[in-house]
Amino acid sequence: GNSVTQMEGPVTLSEEAFLTINCTYTATGYPSLFWYVQYPGEGLQLLLKATKADDKGSNKGFEATYRKETTSFHLEKGSVQVSDSAVYFCALSDEGKLIFGQGTELSVKP
Amino acid sequence: DAGITQSPRHKVTETGTPVTLRCHQTENHRYMYWYRQDPGHGLRLIHYSYGVKDTDKGEVSDGYSVSRSKTEDFLLTLESATSSQTSVYFCAIRTSGSLEGEQFFGPGTRLTVL
Repeated sequence: GNSVTQMEGPVTLSEEAFLTINCTYTATGYPSLFWYVQYPGEGLQLLLKATKADDKGSNKGFEATYRKETTSFHLEKGSVQVSDSAVYFCALSDEGKLIFGQGTELSVKP
Repeated sequence: DAGITQSPRHKVTETGTPVTLRCHQTENHRYMYWYRQDPGHGLRLIHYSYGVKDTDKGEVSDGYSVSRSKTEDFLLTLESATSSQTSVYFCAIRTSGSLEGEQFFGPGTRLTVL
């Protein structure tokens, strides 16, 4: 069946460092891909999405490119801030149902 | 703001008791979902609904039932709660008619089963 694998956390970075959170997927066909973010004590918020191969989703300085050849959707940000500290989830859409990775906790230190 | 509320936000109960969680949306979206969040597992789908009285099972449906008698409300019931059902429960809606559309999540309910 379809699945999503994320790099394990926690990831700890200093402010202004470059961020990469790896996400790979297994799927039949070409599902839409998503990144969600969960701030402490809150629900999940959609961060960005991509619906087809080579699409780049972007929002709030975060980017991810749908790579069909490597079945990947890595999340990147050029300069993280303390306020980016959160848990990040990669997900794919499987006939209307979301399949999530296990989540990666990011901690950004001043 | 997708206008999703969940109640209660926190609940502590004992093993063997029934528990019902409520998800309410302020708009008339057709698709609603219940997920549970556990460390190391991300979120996993419990049940979903594609209309009034139309529901189906997700990946981890054992021990749970759902009902949807009105478009705006989707109820999740644990008939006899067990400690393994201690989790954070999230409701979500899909606003797009496309199966590939994103979902929007409620604030969650933290359930502890003693």
